[in-house]
Formats: sequence, C-alpha cells, structure tokens
Amino acid sequence: QKEVEQDPGPLSVPEGAIVSLNCTYSNSAFQYFMWYRQYSRKGPELLMYTYSSGNKEDGRFTAQVDKSSKYISLFIRDSQPSDSATYLCAGKTSGSRLTFGEGTQLTVNP
Amino acid sequence: GAGVSQTPSNKVTEKGKYVELRCDPISGHTALYWYRQSLGQGPEFLIYFQGTGAADDSGLPNDRFFAVRPEGSVSTLKIQRTERGDSAVYLCASSSKLAGSYNEQFFGPGTRLTVL
Repeated sequence: QKEVEQDPGPLSVPEGAIVSLNCTYSNSAFQYFMWYRQYSRKGPELLMYTYSSGNKEDGRFTAQVDKSSKYISLFIRDSQPSDSATYLCAGKTSGSRLTFGEGTQLTVNP
Repeated sequence: GAGVSQTPSNKVTEKGKYVELRCDPISGHTALYWYRQSLGQGPEFLIYFQGTGAADDSGLPNDRFFAVRPEGSVSTLKIQRTERGDSAVYLCASSSKLAGSYNEQFFGPGTRLTVL
C-alpha cells in the first residue's frame, strides 16, 4: 500500500467551477501536508502547506486536513483555465523527505 | 531572485553509460534534495543534504546511484552503468529555515533522463 493515495483523474471541469482534490494517507507520523501544482514538463510548485489538522486559505485555494480520517483536500474556487495542471499532495514527518501521491490531472475548460 | 536550476534539461544516453546531473540550489539554502519522477507518478525521494553531508540517502535505489555536494551549494547526482529503468525526470529541491521553514521545498525544472 502506498503511503499517500491520490486519484489520478483526469478531472475536467468548466471555468468557474469549484474543484475538489483529495488524498488519503496511511502514515500516522505525517505532521505536515503540502499541495504542489505541476505544469507539463515543469517542476512542482508549492501552493500551500498545513501543519496537523485544520484549514488554511490562500486566495482561491483552501487546504483541509483531517488527521482522524487521514484525509487531505484542496479546494479551488472560481477555477480558471490557467489552473489546468497536475496537483500533487504530499505528507511529511518531522524528517526531511516529502512523500507524494501520484498526482491528479486537472483540466479547466473555458 | 533565481530559483533552483538544473542542467542539462534533457539527457539521452545508452544503457551502461555513466551520467552526471547537476543542481544549483537557491542561494543560501542549506538543505538540498533529489527526487525522481517516473511518468504518471509523483516524485520519489532519493537523498537529502544538509550542508555538505548526506543526512539521509535511504531513497537511493542501489549502489549505482551516488550524489555529492562538496561545498554545500551545487550538487551532482551520479548514475553508473545506467539501465533503461533509470529513465525518469530527476528533480532537485532546496529549502532553508531562513526562507520560512525547512518544510517549504522549492523545486527546479528537472532533468529528463532517457536511457536507450
């Protein structure tokens, strides 16, 4: 079993839709949770990270962590065609390495 | 300021050859990481440097892989006797507590390695 599971999609939505991206994880030692955005043939770009359970909002993006159910979510409001990318969730213990899911490919159609 | 840079951007080699991949981290970042990303997968951790020393190399798949960071800045990932299964995008990331926290890892564009 992978430590971080993520539905690979692809997910296709119309412009302006609310997008929900989700991951589950199995490592109880994860303390930090990250969301990265990766455009085709580019490196991952950090969108947000949260510590432990709770919500964090940044503009159109909201990250949620529920440690009791080991569930991570990213919500994108008023989605734009420029949001079309692969979204990677990751967990991290107090150590150094990030453990990534396989990514969800999102397309926002104008 | 400049981000993480990686060279070359693409590398095509033949099975059995030796390759070196270079990473220039963000200036002043003390922590440097190498990850490998296969097609359709998320990045997988290879090795982590804090300064000049490899603090965690548990992700290196076998002894054909080796990485150095002799002066605590630029790092080189070295792969001996390449195999077709080594074909992937090799990503480098750096972080610094001064930049916020070690949790914020900033990635370079990657080197796409193809082993024929």
